[in-house]
Amino acid sequence: KAGVTQTPRYLIKTRGQQVTLSCSPISGHRSVSWYQQTPGQGLQFLFEYFSETQRNKGNFPGRFSGRQFSNSRSEMNVSTLELGDSALYLCASRALAGAETQYFGPGTRLLVL
Amino acid sequence: AQKITQTQPGMFVQEKEAVTLDCTYDTSDQSYGLFWYKQPSSGEMIFLIYQGSYDEQNATEGRYSLNFQKARKSANLVISASQLGDSAMYFCAMREDPNTGNQFYFGTGTSLTVIP
Repeated sequence: KAGVTQTPRYLIKTRGQQVTLSCSPISGHRSVSWYQQTPGQGLQFLFEYFSETQRNKGNFPGRFSGRQFSNSRSEMNVSTLELGDSALYLCASRALAGAETQYFGPGTRLLVL
Repeated sequence: AQKITQTQPGMFVQEKEAVTLDCTYDTSDQSYGLFWYKQPSSGEMIFLIYQGSYDEQNATEGRYSLNFQKARKSANLVISASQLGDSAMYFCAMREDPNTGNQFYFGTGTSLTVIP
């Protein structure tokens, strides 16, 4: 079974631009979560989607948004990029919202110049 | 208060030796899950082991075992017979009761270096 895939793997943007990241969960998994990882703040939870509905949201500004499609694929959007948005963005999927283990994708490395 | 605390920023271990990575957690939920993930320099988070709060026995997965001490709220990872490929960041995580939040919380990680 294929793992979680994320595209693109690397991205360079400039301040003020917006970016969309994509995540395809493991086949059959319906829950997708997004995380931001930076050296200073560590791994921080952004949001979780299940059956196209946002179930949980972390403490991030409204510039960070996401959605999930009927095939469970998820996108994350960051508008008006700031230098501090440079990070590794990780997507994780699990079978159900209450399933125990979540499996991560390889991440998207975003650099904002 | 931090939900997950990993007090060892960096650890060194000799190849073939065992090493324990510390993790303490904070929750008032009765039902929760504890996890360890490995993150090599490539960035991908690799699931290692899971322990449920109601599991009476410590979880084991190959060379990984989780030393679960519920009263002390600790969930230490033990890696036996360390290998050079074990050099990576290790993160402890907790998932609280699905009925109250279901969010995963991660510690700050421990960088493990295996010395030949």
